[in-house]
Amino acid sequence: AQSVTQLDSQVPVFEEAPVELRCNYSSSVSVYLFWYVQYPNQGLQLLLKYLSGSTLVKGINGFEAEFNKSQTSFHLRKPSVHISDTAEYFCAVSDKGYQLTFGKGTKLSVIP
Amino acid sequence: GAGVSQSPRYKVAKRGQDVALRCDPISGHVSLFWYQQALGQGPEFLTYFQNEAQLDKSGLPSDRFFAERPEGSVSTLKIQRTQQEDSAVYLCASSSDRQGAQYFGPGTRLLVL
Repeated sequence: AQSVTQLDSQVPVFEEAPVELRCNYSSSVSVYLFWYVQYPNQGLQLLLKYLSGSTLVKGINGFEAEFNKSQTSFHLRKPSVHISDTAEYFCAVSDKGYQLTFGKGTKLSVIP
Repeated sequence: GAGVSQSPRYKVAKRGQDVALRCDPISGHVSLFWYQQALGQGPEFLTYFQNEAQLDKSGLPSDRFFAERPEGSVSTLKIQRTQQEDSAVYLCASSSDRQGAQYFGPGTRLLVL
């Protein structure tokens, strides 16, 4: 069985400041990892994904994440946030099958 | 190109009523998924189709939930005799292959009174 823990349910950050959203996973096998963003009353939009290869993954909107196998982490980072980044962010894992297991989400609030 | 679309976007049902939720996946995507997202939670897997075949329905919470994809394109999630605990957002996603990234629709927000 696999699981995802997003350590922070809410993260407030000032505009133009850096941000890190934490994600840890547990799985008995190799995994694929994903970050999705959900704006109010909208579906999930894929930010980035790790399937294999380089552990540093770059996504849309200036976000990046680093896969750390030894720490079973896949933290999401952005060097300078904008007001438009205010949303809920979900980390998800797949054991190379098809079923995504999601964390409970982190609400990012960007303060002007 | 067009993304995943779902209809209706909002549905209010009286307890005991049957509802049907529709999903139009991205054209050509063979894999289709349904997830249930309760308030304040992450999405939880319900069922998976590859073309018209339902390969996994292990996440369906009860036999009141039924999903179909008869022609390998549009899918319908049906909930019979709705209960208040069925209130949630139902998300549909599609993928070009079973291991690839899943692309989500906007969801159907179901409220059972």
